[in-house]
Amino acid sequence: NAGVMQNPRHLVRRRGQEARLRCSPMKGHSHVYWYRQLPEEGLKFMVYLQKENIIDESGMPKERFSAEFPKEGPSILRIQQVVRGDSAAYFCASSPGTEFYEQYFGPGTRLTVT
Amino acid sequence: EDKVVQSPLSLVVHEGDTVTLNCSYEVTNFRSLLWYKQEKKAPTFLFMLTSSGIEKKSGRLSSILDKKELFSILNITATQTGDSAIYLCAVRAGGFKTIFGAGTRLFVKA
Repeated sequence: NAGVMQNPRHLVRRRGQEARLRCSPMKGHSHVYWYRQLPEEGLKFMVYLQKENIIDESGMPKERFSAEFPKEGPSILRIQQVVRGDSAAYFCASSPGTEFYEQYFGPGTRLTVT
Repeated sequence: EDKVVQSPLSLVVHEGDTVTLNCSYEVTNFRSLLWYKQEKKAPTFLFMLTSSGIEKKSGRLSSILDKKELFSILNITATQTGDSAIYLCAVRAGGFKTIFGAGTRLFVKA
């Protein structure tokens, strides 16, 4: 059973470009969470999705950031018009349910904005 | 606002020492508390705690939750260099959101 997959592992973008980060949850998991980790800081919740639905996006910046989890294919975190402050590690986690289920993390995508 | 506070922020010990990492929280609708170990990659799951006073144990690691005083501790006995990592405490609240602390950076010297 493959773990949570994320790609790319490293992404370099110039200011103003778009960044697309992908996450394939573990087999059988229909709950996906995205987190951002800035240097020397803990993980910050961004968004929680189930298939075709955004359940909680209270941690997402209001502008430039969006997320989706289509019926087929991976979950996508999209950042438009990136700025230097978007440079961070973005982790995806999946779980088979909510509340009393642990989340399994992917290896993360390290985004660098130049 | 929901928050999770870990202490100390960093810790340097010698191999063989015992360490205690602390996690206190203030959240609405507590569901569970989780501990993760993060090396240079994805956090890996250690423990999930939902009930007060019941110790969870795995090898040299153990953890306990106090829901009255709103804190948890993670103990590591007979530390090894491979224990060097960031230890993250997280609280599941209100069903969807997971709030992470800033982590404790542990360095074990040979």
